[in-house]
Amino acid sequence: DTAVSQTPKYLVTQMGNDKSIKCEQNLGHDTMYWYKQDSKKFLKIMFSYNNKELIINETVPNRFSPKSPDKAHLNLHINSLELGDSAVYFCASSQEGRRSSAFFGQGTRLTVV
Amino acid sequence: GESVGLHLPTLSVQEGDNSIINCAYSNSASDYFIWYKQESGKGPQFIIDIRSNMDKRQGQRVTVLLNKTVKHLSLQIAATQPGDSAVYFCAENIKGGSYIPTFGRGTSLIVHP
Repeated sequence: DTAVSQTPKYLVTQMGNDKSIKCEQNLGHDTMYWYKQDSKKFLKIMFSYNNKELIINETVPNRFSPKSPDKAHLNLHINSLELGDSAVYFCASSQEGRRSSAFFGQGTRLTVV
Repeated sequence: GESVGLHLPTLSVQEGDNSIINCAYSNSASDYFIWYKQESGKGPQFIIDIRSNMDKRQGQRVTVLLNKTVKHLSLQIAATQPGDSAVYFCAENIKGGSYIPTFGRGTSLIVHP
C-alpha cells in the first residue's frame, strides 16, 4: 500500500510538448510538495500546497503549474517543455506544522529530447 | 546554506566501519531537523529527526548530533553495512507561509564489502 505514489515513473518527451505528472497520497496529510532533483542530486522545492495556500518557489518558471483536485492529489503540469527541464521530479506530503517530516514518492524521471 | 560545488560529496568506508556525515544548515531560527536516506532509483526516506532543544538523539545504529552554535548537524552510522550505501540529506523545516522541508546538498555514502 504505497503512501505517496506518482506516475509515470519515466517520461520521455520532445521539446515544446506539454506533459503532466500525477501524485496521490493516502496518508491523510495536509500538505503536498513538488521537488526537482538535478544531476548533482540537489533537491529544490518547487511548490508547497495545502488547502489554505500555494507557495511557489520564485525561481520556478511559470510553465510549471500545480493542480490539486482534492487534498490527496497534487499534479504537476509542465507546458512547452525545454531541455533543461530534464530531471527527476519528486512529489511529497507531510502533516502541516513545523515539526513534520515529509514522505516522498518514487520520483518521475523526465527526459526532454 | 552551503555553497553548491561541482560534485556530490562522497564518503567511502569499509563495511563494519563507523560513518560520519556532516551538514551545515542555514537558518538559525530552525528548530527541527531531519536526516533522509535516498537509495538509487527511490525517493528520500526519513531516518531520524532532532529538535533544537536536544543536542543528540539515537536510533538503531544511527545517531544525530546537533551543534546550534555553529549550525552543524552530523549523522553517525555505526557498523556501516553495504545496504547503507545511499545519498544522505539533512533537511530543516523553513517557514515560508507553511513550513517547507528544505534540503542540504547531500552526501553519497559508498560502503565497500
